[in-house]
Amino acid sequence: EVQLVESGGGLVQPGGSLRLSCAASGFTVRSNDMSWVRQAPGKGLEWVSVIYSGDTTDYADSVKGRFTISRDSSKNTLYLQMNSLRAEDTAVYYCAREAYYYDSRGYPVYYFDLWGRGTLVTVSS
Amino acid sequence: QSVLTQPPSVSGAPGQRVTISCTGSSPNIGAGNDVHWYQQLPGTAPKLLIYANTNRPSGVPDRFSGSKSATSASLAITGLQAEDEADYYCQSYDSSLSGRVFGTGTKVTVL
Repeated sequence: EVQLVESGGGLVQPGGSLRLSCAASGFTVRSNDMSWVRQAPGKGLEWVSVIYSGDTTDYADSVKGRFTISRDSSKNTLYLQMNSLRAEDTAVYYCAREAYYYDSRGYPVYYFDLWGRGTLVTVSS
Repeated sequence: QSVLTQPPSVSGAPGQRVTISCTGSSPNIGAGNDVHWYQQLPGTAPKLLIYANTNRPSGVPDRFSGSKSATSASLAITGLQAEDEADYYCQSYDSSLSGRVFGTGTKVTVL
């Protein structure tokens, strides 16, 4: 079965660190572009970070310099290392597989075709 | 805050048609970037509903349809059913932010 399962969430104090994991099955993380998307309690979706199959990474401005996305091909797992956590980082974190195509201008267009169930991160003292 | 604006809520009786708008601007939808839609049932993860403005993934009922114009996009649900009660989000790319962006989200209520 093709699925994503996140883990590693929990309660952490402001300024602390946490590493989230996302185990994939039914496809290889290494061959796909993978993202993290978060959702604060009662709020909308916010894209956090992406790692492309070619190893390039990108981050939302709100987490740049504090979060690091990576993957382990041997474990078929995606990670998100979160440092210097703030109260506003409190959210459910979803990992998502990205699909892409090229539009009429020849630009790559990315969208999220598979989502995990999410893991809750709470930053509070 | 999101750069794509959606109405907070829409509602309709079973069998009716409802539409959800997604309004952007020049760095995103107005730049010609495509729009995708996601459905989030209560307490669950989002699920892809429409990609590339108008395309439905396998398994998505044809009651759901998407469209796009100059600076906005729309999701239509025809023959509204109780199981369609959910939050719906549009998503595109914003060149000024250099990242994927989501809409503010719309809660659909079936009366």
